[in-house]
Amino acid sequence: QQQVKQSPQSLIVQKGGISIINCAYENTAFDYFPWYQQFPGKGPALLIAIRPDVSEKKEGRFTISFNKSAKQFSLHIMDSQPGDSATYFCAPYSGGGADGLTFGKGTHLIIQP
Amino acid sequence: EAGVVQSPRYKIIEKKQPVAFWCNPISGHNTLYWYRQNLGQGPELLIRYENEEAVDDSQLPKDRFSAERLKGVDSTLKIQPAELGDSAVYLCASSLAKKRGALTRNTGELFFGEGSRLTVL
Repeated sequence: QQQVKQSPQSLIVQKGGISIINCAYENTAFDYFPWYQQFPGKGPALLIAIRPDVSEKKEGRFTISFNKSAKQFSLHIMDSQPGDSATYFCAPYSGGGADGLTFGKGTHLIIQP
Repeated sequence: EAGVVQSPRYKIIEKKQPVAFWCNPISGHNTLYWYRQNLGQGPELLIRYENEEAVDDSQLPKDRFSAERLKGVDSTLKIQPAELGDSAVYLCASSLAKKRGALTRNTGELFFGEGSRLTVL
């Protein structure tokens, strides 16, 4: 699944800090750019997503920044909290194509109190 | 509204034994996915159904894996015989595809079950 490269693999952030996770993709047919959050023992759940017609979307403490020309999008978690400790996956998608979600390898985020 | 339901949550079997996983998607969701997630990795797509039709099974190891979604609702994923390397979490997800003119486009938001953790000894 070299179409999607996610970084960093793991991240430790102090409580109140900003967590930043990046995702680079290759397939220009992708038209939906979500981030999924997964807690241990649970399935992934959609956290926030963006369509390519906007460059940024903010929902509470979570922001997606999208750079179409660079084929990259990132997740920013402001005022990071211990409850944000989880694994985050980018999973760009082509709704009209044959692809299911192509998941990145994940970023294990730890927020230290 | 009930979410995606999977069973069993945990299964331990000896290698070469068969195993089956069941998934009931969210009511009204016409697209169903089976993913496999190895420890520390992202989910990998095994098969995708649009209603009862398997539209993408290119990553399904067909020599030992099979899946069905006979009535376009719930689905079963089977492994026979299981191998040590099959130990993983098997995730089921569902989503809604909508018709836009002649095209059918998926919303892109997948709803996952909690998964079935398989351990092969």
